[in-house]
Amino acid sequence: AQSVTQLGSHVSVSEGALVLLRCNYSSSVPPYLFWYVQYPNQGLQLLLKYTSAATLVKGINGFEAEFKKSETSFHLTKPSAHMRDAAEYFCAVSDRGNTNAGKSTFGDGTTLTVKP
Amino acid sequence: NAGVTQTPKFQVLKTGQSMTLQCAQDMNHNSMYWYRQDPGMGLRLIYYSASEGTTDKGEVPNGYNVSRLNKREFSLRLESAAPSQTSVYFCASSGWGEQYFGPGTRLTVT
Repeated sequence: AQSVTQLGSHVSVSEGALVLLRCNYSSSVPPYLFWYVQYPNQGLQLLLKYTSAATLVKGINGFEAEFKKSETSFHLTKPSAHMRDAAEYFCAVSDRGNTNAGKSTFGDGTTLTVKP
Repeated sequence: NAGVTQTPKFQVLKTGQSMTLQCAQDMNHNSMYWYRQDPGMGLRLIYYSASEGTTDKGEVPNGYNVSRLNKREFSLRLESAAPSQTSVYFCASSGWGEQYFGPGTRLTVT
C-alpha cells in the first residue's frame, strides 16, 4: 500500500522568497514520485518526476525536488518565487511494478500563495 | 497532438438524471483513469482501465459506471445523479509513470 502526506495545506511566501513544499511518502516497494501543479480551472500537469536516476530532480519553471530514502521525503523547492507560481501542488507516488496499471496515490494538495 | 480531451466542460443535472462524460487520448497510452476532485479532498480515483477491454474500481466507484470503448476512449456514466456527485471530474492517461490529465468537467447536480 502507498500513501502520501503533504504537510501544510496552505503555504504563503513573498515574491522572491524560497518556496518549500513538503511531501512524505510510504511505499512497500521502490517508488516513482511526482509533483504536479494545478492552475485555477485547469487539469494537473507534471512538474517533475523521480524514477530512480539522480536523487535531485529538476523540473519545469525552476522547481526541483530531492528524493531522500532515509527520510521517505520528496520535498519541492524553488529558490525564488514568482507571482505566476501561485497554484495548487500535488505530490504523488506510484510503484514500479507493471501490475498496478500505473496508478498513483495523490496527496491532498498544497495551495501556494505568492504575495507581492 | 491534443493530449487528453474531455467533454463537456460544464454540466448541470437534476437529481435522478443520467449523463456520460467522454474522455479521449491520442498518446497511445494503455492506462486511463477517472478522478473526482472536491475541495480539501484532493483527487479520488473512481475507476481505471489498465488496457482496452479491462476496467477496475478505484477508491469511490459507487454511483458510477465506465466503458473502455477502445484504446483511445474511456467514458464515465452517472446513471442516476445525486447532489453528492457535484464535483470536478478529471480523466487521465498513463503510458509509463506520470499521468496526463484532461481539462476537467465541472458537474453540478441540483
